[in-house]
Amino acid sequence: EAQVTQNPRYLITVTGKKLTVTCSQNMNHEYMSWYRQDPGLGLRQIYYSMNVEVTDKGDVPEGYKVSRKEKRNFPLILESPSPNQTSLYFCASSISGSTDTQYFGPGTRLTVL
Amino acid sequence: QKEVEQNSGPLSVPEGAIASLNCTYSDRGSQSFFWYRQYSGKSPELIMFIYSNGDKEDGRFTAQLNKASQYVSLLIRDSQPSDSATYLCASDSGAGSYQLTFGKGTKLSVIP
Repeated sequence: EAQVTQNPRYLITVTGKKLTVTCSQNMNHEYMSWYRQDPGLGLRQIYYSMNVEVTDKGDVPEGYKVSRKEKRNFPLILESPSPNQTSLYFCASSISGSTDTQYFGPGTRLTVL
Repeated sequence: QKEVEQNSGPLSVPEGAIASLNCTYSDRGSQSFFWYRQYSGKSPELIMFIYSNGDKEDGRFTAQLNKASQYVSLLIRDSQPSDSATYLCASDSGAGSYQLTFGKGTKLSVIP
């Protein structure tokens, strides 16, 4: 089944404790992206990757890191999480860019205490 | 700052009616526009995209684009309770762009 998977789905952590949210797709897509969704602010792009080893900042990259060492994986790293990073995070992928249909993962709900 | 504006709603329509969802965008360089549907607690899924001025129809859904007015809309005919969801409008940043800017979404409720 073609899908985007994220792990973990739910995470409660404390300020400053490094964490990684994994994202994997099995559709051989070149483009992958991370979004966060907050009430009243909508869906905002954090980082995106056009291909292996090619990444760029979205609209809200502060406090996040990403890497794309393999085509299928695009982890999101929070080196020192803070409470303002409490949010619902979505990973998405598409064939080659943001103008192709983006397939979203199920989401990761992160709470930083 | 690129912006995509939507009325947050909620928009309530009776079953069988036409639901009209509207969106405006600030970046005149935007070329591609998308409507995603998001059910409560679920991830967004694409329902329509439009690149050219005018109307594009797909089943009960019609997307309309007016680049001069920087306006995009989505019409849902014969609305069903299963259409109740939040609808997200999104635009790209122009040719060759890799970024997508989303509006905050309009919550639609279809009343049986």
